[in-house]
Amino acid sequence: GAVVSQHPSWVICKSGTSVKIECRSLDFQATTMFWYRQFPKQSLMLMATSNEGSKATYEQGVEKDKFLINHASLTLSTLTVTSAHPEDSSFYICSAMKQGSGANVLTFGAGSRLTVL
Amino acid sequence: AQRVTQPEKLLSVFKGAPVELKCNYSYSGSPELFWYVQYSRQRLQLLLRHISRESIKGFTADLNKGETSFHLKKPFAQEEDSAMYYCALKGSGSARQLTFGSGTQLTVLP
Repeated sequence: GAVVSQHPSWVICKSGTSVKIECRSLDFQATTMFWYRQFPKQSLMLMATSNEGSKATYEQGVEKDKFLINHASLTLSTLTVTSAHPEDSSFYICSAMKQGSGANVLTFGAGSRLTVL
Repeated sequence: AQRVTQPEKLLSVFKGAPVELKCNYSYSGSPELFWYVQYSRQRLQLLLRHISRESIKGFTADLNKGETSFHLKKPFAQEEDSAMYYCALKGSGSARQLTFGSGTQLTVLP
C-alpha cells in the first residue's frame, strides 16, 4: 500500500520561532504533495501544492513567505512555518499522490498539530 | 470555481438503520468525486470514488449529474461506521487538488 508519514505529530513552540514539518512517502514516489490546514471542526483547506524540483504553488490568501515549502526529493516535502504566531496554531496535514496511480487517489499523513504559545 | 457542500455537520442513526450522508457539488466540467473517512484518532483515508462504482464496507455512492450530488449510503449502519466523512471533488484537466466538503460527523448509536 501507499503510506505517508508526517513528523512531528505535534509540536509546541514559542511565538516568533520557526517550525518545520516533514511529509514523507514511505513506499512510493510522489512528484506532487499537498499541504492542508484544518481548524477545529472545519474542513481541510488546501494551502499549497508541493512540486518536486520546482516552486510550490500556493492557494490564494496563503503567504508563501510565511509557509515555506520545499520538495527536495520524490519522497520528502517540508513545510516550515516561519516566525510563528498563535494564530498559526492549527492542524496541518499533507497528502501525496502515487505516481502512475491513474486514479487520482491521495494518501494522507496523520497530521501535525502545531500550538504556538 | 469548484465547491463541495455537505449540509449536515452531525448525523446520528441507530445501529441497523439506513444512513445517507449528503454531498452536493458545484463544478462546470466533469468532476471526479470521492468520499474520505476519518475514524477517531486515525488519518484521513479514501473510502470510495465514483469512477470505480464500488461498494466499500457496505457503503455506496452514486454520482447524479442532474442533481449534482454524490450522496453516501449504507442500508444498515454499524457502530464501527461512526466517523467523520468528507466528500471531495477533483476537477478535470490540470486541477489536481481536491476540494473538500466541510465534513459530516456520523454517530451510530447502539
